[in-house]
Amino acid sequence: GAVVSQHPSWVICKSGTSVKIECRSLDFQATTMFWYRQFPKQSLMLMATSNEGSKATYEQGVEKDKFLINHASLTLSTLTVTSAHPEDSSFYICSARAPLSVYEQYFGPGTRLTVT
Amino acid sequence: ELKVEQNPLFLSMQEGKNYTIYCNYSTTSDRLYWYRQDPGKSLESLFVLLSNGAVKQEGRLMASLDTKARLSTLHITAAVHDLSATYFCAGKAAGNKLTFGGGTRVLVKP
Repeated sequence: GAVVSQHPSWVICKSGTSVKIECRSLDFQATTMFWYRQFPKQSLMLMATSNEGSKATYEQGVEKDKFLINHASLTLSTLTVTSAHPEDSSFYICSARAPLSVYEQYFGPGTRLTVT
Repeated sequence: ELKVEQNPLFLSMQEGKNYTIYCNYSTTSDRLYWYRQDPGKSLESLFVLLSNGAVKQEGRLMASLDTKARLSTLHITAAVHDLSATYFCAGKAAGNKLTFGGGTRVLVKP
């Protein structure tokens, strides 16, 4: 139980284009999901908290107009990187909150974004 | 604001020997997590520690929590090559957010 999927697992896009990443909780409903970014050999940095049916909450320094988050259902949150640039190349990981479970947060397998 | 520090950042291990990774955190945290990450992969949950004195063990890994010292440790017994990975600790902060330590990259050599 408590499986989280992400799609795509990797994506290459050209500078200036937009890319959408999906995060799904497969066997539970998640009112809250989180988006993280991880640069090579670094830790995970929380970008934003995605709440079903309401606006996402962004961490300080994260551009909300660049990283659009939509949590339209209890099992799906999407992150759209708009006008991507090479510095947006990173590993993006989502997690979904299952508050009644021991671990509370379950992580997706990640999406590697490369912007050329 | 919760801050989490891990040390060491890199640990070169010899097979068969014992090692410890330390995780200090700055303010009260509801729970403390340990994760493993293999290269190019996402996080694998190892342990969640809920209370002072909690100890969890799985195979060669044992995690403990001292809430008074705001310290958690991950102890590796008789290291084997399969344990080579990056290990992260994380504390739960306000808003159910997780704050991660910087990670400890473990390399087990024969």
